[in-house]
Amino acid sequence: DADVTQTPRNRITKTGKRIMLECSQTKGHDRMYWYRQDPGLGLRLIYYSFDVKDINKGEISDGYSVSRQAQAKFSLSLESAIPNQTALYFCATSSGQRNQPQHFGDGTRLSIL
Amino acid sequence: DAKTTQPNSMESNEEEPVHLPCNHSTISGTDYIHWYRQLPSQGPEYVIHGLTSNVNNRMASLAIAEDRKSSTLILHRATLRDAAVYYCILNRNAGNMLTFGGGTRLMVKP
Repeated sequence: DADVTQTPRNRITKTGKRIMLECSQTKGHDRMYWYRQDPGLGLRLIYYSFDVKDINKGEISDGYSVSRQAQAKFSLSLESAIPNQTALYFCATSSGQRNQPQHFGDGTRLSIL
Repeated sequence: DAKTTQPNSMESNEEEPVHLPCNHSTISGTDYIHWYRQLPSQGPEYVIHGLTSNVNNRMASLAIAEDRKSSTLILHRATLRDAAVYYCILNRNAGNMLTFGGGTRLMVKP
């Protein structure tokens, strides 16, 4: 079983809909991250959390919100989806120790029509 | 933010060594150099990291210039499975925050 699991893997929805992407991890890590990747580009950080109920904005947080109610789960919401939020979304985790690598899920491909 | 510069793409033949370069001329003394790779349809995968000394692990080697303004990821014997986008990232103050650039797309020919 994967250490970092994202659901759903694919989602197609319409403009204006509310969408939630889920991330769960079995690594016991304190830190969790949400990234967005557009075609041909690197990942950009949306939000991150260093502990339960700790929320921090990343580079591109506008139009998104997150929730961290448990150590193992970090959810990303689009309150009112718009077409330019069509992208690949990745969740990642890391331990709180210095200089530790991040571990990524396999991504959610989101299309907004 | 300290940035890295990598070639957009590189080609290699299977079973030959590959040297992937990265320039980071604005690196600060506490920045670690991290490498990740992203295989098609997957999330990024950690490869290796280092500070000043060269590093080896089961996946690759990392050679860091003496002035730390550049580094090279070395795959000793490329396989078809190594075809991926390779990202060179500076981990600021070892704080586990990563800023991804465009990376280098490595193509491996049989």
